[in-house]
Amino acid sequence: DVKVTQSSRYLVKRTGEKVFLECVQDMDHENMFWYRQDPGLGLRLIYFSYDVKMKEKGDIPEGYSVSREKKERFSLILESASTNQTSMYLCASSLLRQHEQYFGPGTRLTVT
Amino acid sequence: AQTVTQSQPEMSVQEAETVTLSCTYDTSESDYYLFWYKQPPSRQMILVIRQEAYKQQNATENRFSVNFQKAAKSFSLKISDSQLGDAAMYFCAEGEKDMRFGAGTRLTVKP
Repeated sequence: DVKVTQSSRYLVKRTGEKVFLECVQDMDHENMFWYRQDPGLGLRLIYFSYDVKMKEKGDIPEGYSVSREKKERFSLILESASTNQTSMYLCASSLLRQHEQYFGPGTRLTVT
Repeated sequence: AQTVTQSQPEMSVQEAETVTLSCTYDTSESDYYLFWYKQPPSRQMILVIRQEAYKQQNATENRFSVNFQKAAKSFSLKISDSQLGDAAMYFCAEGEKDMRFGAGTRLTVKP
């Protein structure tokens, strides 16, 4: 079974802090994704990566950056956390971009 | 741009009954994939069922089946013999170049 893990289930940070969210997958998938999930809005794509060191912006990249130095690891970075970034963050991976994605358990981030 | 619409924010079903969750999408592509994902209260999202657009036959996975109407761009999920464990958020998604998700439907199962 595909396993996608995220570094934290819950995280509380202060406004202005730099925040790192880590995601690791164990199935040698080419594609990895970061979403944020908010009530009534579903999942919105922040960034995705289709190969090591490659990244593309999703629908809402502002205020975020990503890093993929190794195939199995995809990091989401909030350069200067703001209260409107309080959300649930989901990481996913897939073999092909349009195929089913496998999700991690999510990180609920609160920025105060 | 791709859009996926789930018009039912909440649905309720009696245990052992059947419920249908609606989904419509908008795409200009002829070849794409459609998915239903389930997110139980513990939050891990899992795939329920997948449909390839080029296949006319509706996908089925045990108690879960879809009604795929390509011309109408409709992709509904039918859950038969509903169980308490089916209670979750259900997300419809469409994948062509990238995956797009609907806003979700919260399903409650009454004992």
